[in-house]
Amino acid sequence: AQSVTQLDSHVSVSEGTPVLLRCNYSSSYSPSLFWYVQHPNKGLQLLLKYTSAATLVKGINGFEAEFKKSETSFHLTKPSAHMSDAAEYFCVVSDPSNDMRFGAGTRLTVKP
Amino acid sequence: NAGVMQNPRHLVRRRGQEARLRCSPMKGHSHVYWYRQLPEEGLKFMVYLQKENIIDESGMPKERFSAEFPKEGPSILRIQQVVRGDSAAYFCASSPLGAEGETQYFGPGTRLLVL
Repeated sequence: AQSVTQLDSHVSVSEGTPVLLRCNYSSSYSPSLFWYVQHPNKGLQLLLKYTSAATLVKGINGFEAEFKKSETSFHLTKPSAHMSDAAEYFCVVSDPSNDMRFGAGTRLTVKP
Repeated sequence: NAGVMQNPRHLVRRRGQEARLRCSPMKGHSHVYWYRQLPEEGLKFMVYLQKENIIDESGMPKERFSAEFPKEGPSILRIQQVVRGDSAAYFCASSPLGAEGETQYFGPGTRLLVL
């Protein structure tokens, strides 16, 4: 069995400050981990993914995430928030059969 | 290469009617997944299909919901006798092989509103 917990349902930052969206996972396998972003009234867009290669994964739009097996975490970070980053972010864990489990989502608000 | 296509983008139905949601996977993709996003909740897996086969329907409600992915044409998610609780965004995703770590590419979603 596998599951994902996104620790914050809502994160608010000021433009230009760092972003941290937290994600912890539980998996019986060596998981694949993903972050997706959903802008209002849009579909999901893949930000980045981890599949047992480098533990620090760089994604689009300046986002990156670090896989920490000892902490079962895959937190998403960005050094400097932009207004266009305001969206809903989903952490996802996938097992070898490609069965995906989604976190509940974290809504990111960026203040000017 | 066009992405995953879903139509309609918005669908309004009255209670008791049927809703049909269509998903055309990316070219070359033979695996389709359906997810439901309820208000204030995350995405929930519903069903996983390959061409002409249902691989995993563990997330499908036992009644009124069905899905197919025929040899030709799009995948269809069908909801019979809709109720207000069916109002949600329904997302389709596709992948080429369904293998470990295979990335799923999502469509724009269909937003169903049941009056």
